[in-house]
Amino acid sequence: SQQGEEDPQALSIQEGENATMNCSYKTSINNLQWYRQNSGRGLVHLILIRSNEREKHSGRLRVTLDTSKKSSSLLITASRAADTASYFCATVINTGTASKLTFGTGTRLQVTL
Amino acid sequence: EAGVTQSPTHLIKTRGQQATLRCSPISGHTSVYWYQQALGLGLQFLLWYDEGEERNRGNFPPRFSGRQFPNYSSELNVNALELEDSALYLCASRASINYGYTFGSGTRLTVV
Repeated sequence: SQQGEEDPQALSIQEGENATMNCSYKTSINNLQWYRQNSGRGLVHLILIRSNEREKHSGRLRVTLDTSKKSSSLLITASRAADTASYFCATVINTGTASKLTFGTGTRLQVTL
Repeated sequence: EAGVTQSPTHLIKTRGQQATLRCSPISGHTSVYWYQQALGLGLQFLLWYDEGEERNRGNFPPRFSGRQFPNYSSELNVNALELEDSALYLCASRASINYGYTFGSGTRLTVV
């Protein structure tokens, strides 16, 4: 079962615009991670934010985390055609045997020229 | 540093057969995770191995099994293949709880 949902399911923007994707989850977490997947390939880790952090940056990526609302957002600034991919949030619940990544449903981002 | 490697890249099997998928984690990573990504079903957790032991499994039937070898590489076995087992199977490893996971490129299994 999925830990949460992502919104929107699909997003189409023009190159240079910003893209914002949202993720909601259900249970308390240790950390939340964002991944990118190009067309049926493996996932690439983008950024990890711990439960005691509220915001994190990496290059053109900005991630926020609101544990009171159990939600996170990923902002990609000045998007490029190469950013076209599916983006997934995933949570880690560190409770011994439950220590695994649980993925959201993903957002398909299309960046057009 | 070599990433997570998976083999084979593609696998075509007939319904009822068995499939074996292989994964080598990043050197020094002792945990290996398996995920299934079937069309329309998202990424589903299958199995987690750490230090040679199965630590957790997802909501999959016993037909899905695996093991982890002393060198931390892992095998996923799917017995009595069904058409709905067709999916991309992804393997991942990680250094510790507060590090991101590194995924392999996956094995695309097609059951005909």
